[in-house]
Amino acid sequence: ETGVTQTPRHLVMGMTNKKSLKCEQHLGHNAMYWYKQSAKKPLELMFVYNFKEQTENNSVPSRFSPECPNSSHLFLHLHTLQPEDSALYLCASSQVIAGSYEQYFGPGTRLTVT
Amino acid sequence: GQNIDQPTEMTATEGAIVQINCTYQTSGFNGLFWYQQHAGEAPTFLSYNVLDGLEEKGRFSSFLSRSKGYSYLLLKELQMKDSASYLCAVRDGDYKLSFGAGTTVTVRA
Repeated sequence: ETGVTQTPRHLVMGMTNKKSLKCEQHLGHNAMYWYKQSAKKPLELMFVYNFKEQTENNSVPSRFSPECPNSSHLFLHLHTLQPEDSALYLCASSQVIAGSYEQYFGPGTRLTVT
Repeated sequence: GQNIDQPTEMTATEGAIVQINCTYQTSGFNGLFWYQQHAGEAPTFLSYNVLDGLEEKGRFSSFLSRSKGYSYLLLKELQMKDSASYLCAVRDGDYKLSFGAGTTVTVRA
């Protein structure tokens, strides 16, 4: 595997379900991110982890719960979601060193909440 | 708050040139990225400008004017595979990128 991988690629869940999204980066990066992408809207940054420590939580509802067990893996735990949470959820990683700030994105999980 | 504006859609003919403008008003500025995103795929990095001026990379060039809060992405010799969404993003912190809504470019034969 290379780059940033995400599973599952598609997920349909009811409002009472609990599910988790998984992201893995194979680039040796030290920062990982969750973004939400809704149609015709800018990517919204949800969470940032740097060296496994959460450094940003962009006022995300508590029904989204991130977990970063090590610098290569990132999870997004979902529970009691709303239909408006249907979107593409993108994971990204970067190496936070001077002069290198490019974020590498995974293919995303297309989430539909019914 | 962060305000990053770019046109919603642009259409051009194969072989032509298209310029995608991006204006920004952000609380901080540490550089500007352009990403390309094909439908159903991950955004991929195109360019990064931190100083004023033009950066050229093959058929793609990116320009930045920090004093004007303005950037553009220039796509030359358009090909059908260039049909995609182009995202402008400002790095306004150590890690944080703030994105525009994206410009969908359609290339016609």
